[in-house]
Amino acid sequence: KNEVEQSPQNLTAQEGEFITINCSYSVGISALHWLQQHPGGGIVSLFMLSSGKKKHGRLIATINIQEKHSSLHITASHPRDSAVYICAVRYDDMRFGAGTRLTVKP
Amino acid sequence: NAGVTQTPKFQVLKTGQSMTLQCAQDMNHEYMSWYRQDPGMGLRLIHYSVGAGITDQGEVPNGYNVSRSTTEDFPLRLLSAAPSQTSVYFCASSRVGLAGRRDIQYFGAGTRLSVL
Repeated sequence: KNEVEQSPQNLTAQEGEFITINCSYSVGISALHWLQQHPGGGIVSLFMLSSGKKKHGRLIATINIQEKHSSLHITASHPRDSAVYICAVRYDDMRFGAGTRLTVKP
Repeated sequence: NAGVTQTPKFQVLKTGQSMTLQCAQDMNHEYMSWYRQDPGMGLRLIHYSVGAGITDQGEVPNGYNVSRSTTEDFPLRLLSAAPSQTSVYFCASSRVGLAGRRDIQYFGAGTRLSVL
């Protein structure tokens, strides 16, 4: 069983929809990261959080340490949000989820 | 500010050949790491370094060597390439803060390697 599970694996949405991507992990962690991988392959860090909630523009990340669960929300989704979103947790080193492929259609 | 620079972007090797993937960062980050990304499996840590002269193994280190002679550079060496090493390789770096906490990671653009 992967230590980091993401759902859904694939997600298709219409422009403007509210998006939620979930991440569950099975070990105690010091931090959780959300990454975005563009269609061209580049990876960008979106958030690093160890408690509560962070917001950046239309992106919101939350974490519940007790439940070992995090969510990434995208409000008013746009086709340029189409990418693979990756959850990663850090304890001794980094463990990554397999990613959620998001496609936003105009 | 170039960030994390990886070279080459693409490489094709024959089984048994050796090569070095280069990674350099100009942010004075202490922590550097190498990952491989395979379809459906997510990124997996190969080797990492917490500073010059210090390296350690990650989840999938076999067949790879690293060294960290300077803060800026962290090359990954494939000793004898095998088809199982066909993958996309990413280098990343991050600052190490108080109590060893690592900050957000900055990723290179990736190297797509095919071993025939």
